[in-house]
Amino acid sequence: GEDVEQSLFLSVREGDSSVINCTYTDSSSTYLYWYKQEPGAGLQLLTYIFSNMDMKQDQRLTVLLNKKDKHLSLRIADTQTGDSAIYFCAETWNSGNTPLVFGKGTRLSVIA
Amino acid sequence: NAGVMQNPRHLVRRRGQEARLRCSPMKGHSHVYWYRQLPEEGLKFMVYLQKENIIDESGMPKERFSAEFPKEGPSILRIQQVVRGDSAAYFCASSPRETGGKRNTEAFFGQGTRLTVV
Repeated sequence: GEDVEQSLFLSVREGDSSVINCTYTDSSSTYLYWYKQEPGAGLQLLTYIFSNMDMKQDQRLTVLLNKKDKHLSLRIADTQTGDSAIYFCAETWNSGNTPLVFGKGTRLSVIA
Repeated sequence: NAGVMQNPRHLVRRRGQEARLRCSPMKGHSHVYWYRQLPEEGLKFMVYLQKENIIDESGMPKERFSAEFPKEGPSILRIQQVVRGDSAAYFCASSPRETGGKRNTEAFFGQGTRLTVV
């Protein structure tokens, strides 16, 4: 089955790190993604990780993948007010040849 | 190079009317995906099209919904006899590739059409 779960809300202070968590149920997932959606806008692909990796770092973003627990996280270092948005976790399988399956999104609020 | 263009951005329809949503993919992209986002929900896949061909419509409701991507012009998502439950944001994404992991990693989303049925 395909199900992606995320906590709905996260609030952090500006300058702190944010950690957004996601769990998925399909062990055959091959790619896992993080998207950002700002108010009234479309989705922006932030980063993705292939299932044979444990970690991926891209500037302020760090993705950690625990395949055993089917747990994915996105860490944003030095969180800024411009990071306030909804963050969606998504998965595909079959070498990426399937449509994206999204979680419901985590709304990140950054307090100045 | 313009991004994925969707229009209209906002659409209001009365129950029973038809809604037509348009998506122009990025230049050089020949694959289009439609997703629906209900309020407070994630995006749900609806349909995947290549030009003149529906590849996967497993997420499309069986009735009232149809999609096309003609040889010339934008992709159209058509909803006939709209009901209040059709109120949602409809997103289109385009990709240059058909298969493989890069199908999604090289896909770009449009800003969506927000449909309100009154």
